[in-house]
Amino acid sequence: QKEVEQDPGPLSVPEGAIVSLNCTYSNSAFQYFMWYRQYSRKGPELLMYTYSSGNKEDGRFTAQVDKSSKYISLFIRDSQPSDSATYLCAMSDSSGSARQLTFGSGTQLTVLP
Amino acid sequence: NAGVTQTPKFRVLKTGQSMTLLCAQDMNHEYMYWYRQDPGMGLRLIHYSVGEGTTAKGEVPDGYNVSRLKKQNFLLGLESAAPSQTSVYFCASRQSGGFTGELFFGEGSRLTVL
Repeated sequence: QKEVEQDPGPLSVPEGAIVSLNCTYSNSAFQYFMWYRQYSRKGPELLMYTYSSGNKEDGRFTAQVDKSSKYISLFIRDSQPSDSATYLCAMSDSSGSARQLTFGSGTQLTVLP
Repeated sequence: NAGVTQTPKFRVLKTGQSMTLLCAQDMNHEYMYWYRQDPGMGLRLIHYSVGEGTTAKGEVPDGYNVSRLKKQNFLLGLESAAPSQTSVYFCASRQSGGFTGELFFGEGSRLTVL
């Protein structure tokens, strides 16, 4: 079993839809939870991060962490064609180890105009 | 300010050939990483470095070697390429200390081994 599981999609939605992207994990030591966005043929870039449980909002994006269920989500409101990308969740523990992050496999999202 | 630059961006090799991928960053970051990205597998860490002159193994190090002779450069070498090494390779860097989650990635190097 992978430490981090992510539905690969692909996910296709109409413009303006609410999108929910999800990851589950098995390592209870994970404390930091990140979402990276990767456009086609580009490198990933950090979109949002949260520490421990709770919600964090940034414009149209909301990141949610439920540590009791080992489940994290990224919600995109009023989705736009420019949101079309692959979204990768990533997690790390609190040790600060340079070995860094454990990534999900990514969900490919297409927002249709 | 270029960030993280990878060269070459594309390369085709025959089985058994060798090659080196170069990563250069201009952000004065201490930590540098090499990942490979394959469909359904996500990003997997090959090797990393916590500073000039240091290297360490990641999750999938076999078949690869690395060197960090200068702080701004991190080289990934394939001594005898195999078809299983066909992948997209990403270099990343970050500051030491503080929040560990923000990696800065290059645009990737697409390698095909025939």
